[in-house]
Amino acid sequence: GENVEQHPSTLSVQEGDSAVIKCTYSDSASNYFPWYKQELGKRPQLIIDIRSNVGEKKDQRIAVTLNKTAKHFSLHITETQPEDSAVYFCAANKQGAQKLVFGQGTRLTINP
Amino acid sequence: NAGVTQTPKFRVLKTGQSMTLLCAQDMNHEYMYWYRQDPGMGLRLIHYSVGEGTTAKGEVPDGYNVSRLKKQNFLLGLESAAPSQTSVYFCASSYSTANGQPQHFGDGTRLSIL
Repeated sequence: GENVEQHPSTLSVQEGDSAVIKCTYSDSASNYFPWYKQELGKRPQLIIDIRSNVGEKKDQRIAVTLNKTAKHFSLHITETQPEDSAVYFCAANKQGAQKLVFGQGTRLTINP
Repeated sequence: NAGVTQTPKFRVLKTGQSMTLLCAQDMNHEYMYWYRQDPGMGLRLIHYSVGEGTTAKGEVPDGYNVSRLKKQNFLLGLESAAPSQTSVYFCASSYSTANGQPQHFGDGTRLSIL
């Protein structure tokens, strides 16, 4: 089955700097990779996703890149702000599968 | 649209008691999921359903049962609660995931077993 590894588990950056979180997956048939943001005490919310036919996707300050050969995908947050502080989860699906497999999460802290 | 609604939001149980968590979605989604999230941990899939009348086991199904009698509702049952089941429970729903679709989460149920 699919296995998703996420690194780092914690990340602290200065406000205004960039943050990068990386995930690797095991199943080469995976074709959908969403990222979720979970603020303290709140539900996970989708912030961006990418499909296997695309190498990069951007939405304002966030972007996701996918390397199918190496089986990894990364979340990039630029010009970080205090409200970016949260736990971020990556996930992977595969065509025909009915489930998402989530990474263990990264706690991102933005220092003012 | 309310999205995914979970009831109750909080509950305290004694060991051995039973209870049912309710998840309701108004997005006409086929798929529904129950996860548990322990402190500092990720999301672990308990059970899921790909349509009305169907259920399937996830990663950590022991001690839980589920039912999907109506498309919009997915119930999670604890027959005999144990302290190890203290957790935050999230329900999620999505359209068909054959080509990958995002899951939409409810606000969670915080359950404590004493």
